[in-house]
Amino acid sequence: DGGITQSPKYLFRKEGQNVTLSCEQNLNHDAMYWYRQDPGQGLRLIYYSQIVNDFQKGDIAEGYSVSREKKESFPLTVTSAQKNPTAFYLCASFGAAEPEKLFFGSGTQLSVL
Amino acid sequence: GENVEQHPSTLSVQEGDSAVIKCTYSDSASNYFPWYKQELGKRPQLIIDIRSNVGEKKDQRIAVTLNKTAKHFSLHITETQPEDSAVYFCAASYSGYALNFGKGTSLLVTP
Repeated sequence: DGGITQSPKYLFRKEGQNVTLSCEQNLNHDAMYWYRQDPGQGLRLIYYSQIVNDFQKGDIAEGYSVSREKKESFPLTVTSAQKNPTAFYLCASFGAAEPEKLFFGSGTQLSVL
Repeated sequence: GENVEQHPSTLSVQEGDSAVIKCTYSDSASNYFPWYKQELGKRPQLIIDIRSNVGEKKDQRIAVTLNKTAKHFSLHITETQPEDSAVYFCAASYSGYALNFGKGTSLLVTP
């Protein structure tokens, strides 16, 4: 399924709960990204990482956290500080062979109970 | 930072007609302009891209044009087919930095 795997496909969050979205790639890509997609809003950048153990905030990082302990993995945690977490979350990556050509995962739909 | 504006937000055409989607960007340093197609419930997929040293690029029924002076670029789809119905996103970036996306255009091709 394209080398980037996101799980779960659907996720439900209770009030005050932190939830973690998984993103794994076997493409040997250095750069990984998290985007949030809301209807009519396009894709907005949450966090990105260009190398292991380093990551940068995007345009809407508040209420989210990430880690990049392994090249293959870039999990996103939606914390209780994110008051409007319902959205479709997309993970993406690109490698040196095709710089800037983002490959996307299949996404996680997060909803609030 | 970069700001990408995309128009129109919705577009309906009859099968066989052409469709044009336009984007403008704010940062003159941007040098990479991809277009992504997202079908309902699916991941965005790259359909065509252009770099700032090229004015036009074509791939079968789709083409992209870039006007660096005016800071705008457009996607052209000719001989549209029902399977072209999807949301299309333009984006802009500078040399490996994160892509900034437009808000998307929902294209409907009616038979």
